[in-house]
Amino acid sequence: QKEVEQDPGPLSVPEGAIVSLNCTYSNSAFQYFMWYRQYSRKGPELLMYTYSSGNKEDGRFTAQVDKSSKYISLFIRDSQPSDSATYLCAMSFRGSGGYQKVTFGIGTKLQVIP
Amino acid sequence: GAGVSQSPSNKVTEKGKDVELRCDPISGHTALYWYRQRLGQGLEFLIYFQGNSAPDKSGLPSDRFSAERTGESVSTLTIQRTQQEDSAVYLCASSKSRTDTQYFGPGTRLTVL
Repeated sequence: QKEVEQDPGPLSVPEGAIVSLNCTYSNSAFQYFMWYRQYSRKGPELLMYTYSSGNKEDGRFTAQVDKSSKYISLFIRDSQPSDSATYLCAMSFRGSGGYQKVTFGIGTKLQVIP
Repeated sequence: GAGVSQSPSNKVTEKGKDVELRCDPISGHTALYWYRQRLGQGLEFLIYFQGNSAPDKSGLPSDRFSAERTGESVSTLTIQRTQQEDSAVYLCASSKSRTDTQYFGPGTRLTVL
């Protein structure tokens, strides 16, 4: 079983739809939870960063963490064609080198149709 | 300010050749990371630098892979005797400290023929 499971999609939605992206994880040591967006042939860019269970909102994006179920979600409201990208969930814990060791999901490819 | 830069952006090489990939982190970032992203797979951690030492190189897949960093700046990832399974995008990230958010470069797309 992978430490982080994420459906690779692709996921196609019409413009304006609410998008729900999800990941599950097995390692209860994970402390920080992140979502990255990666456009084609670009490096990942950080979208959201959370520590505790609950919701965090930033504009059209809401990140949700449920540590008891080991489940995280990213919701995108009023989706736009410019949101078309691959969304990577990521989670981290303090590794043996004293740094935040990050494990990434495989990424979900999202296409928003105009 | 300037982000993480990587060069070359694309590299095509023949099986058995050595390649060097370069990463320029954000100025002032002490921590630097290398990842590999193979087609259809998630990012795999390769190595972490704090300054010019590498406390965690557990992700390097074989002794053909090595990396070094000069001070708190440029890092090079070297792959010797490349194999076709080394074909991937190699991503570099840096962070202000070992516990801060990682910022990624655009990656180097390596193709081994």
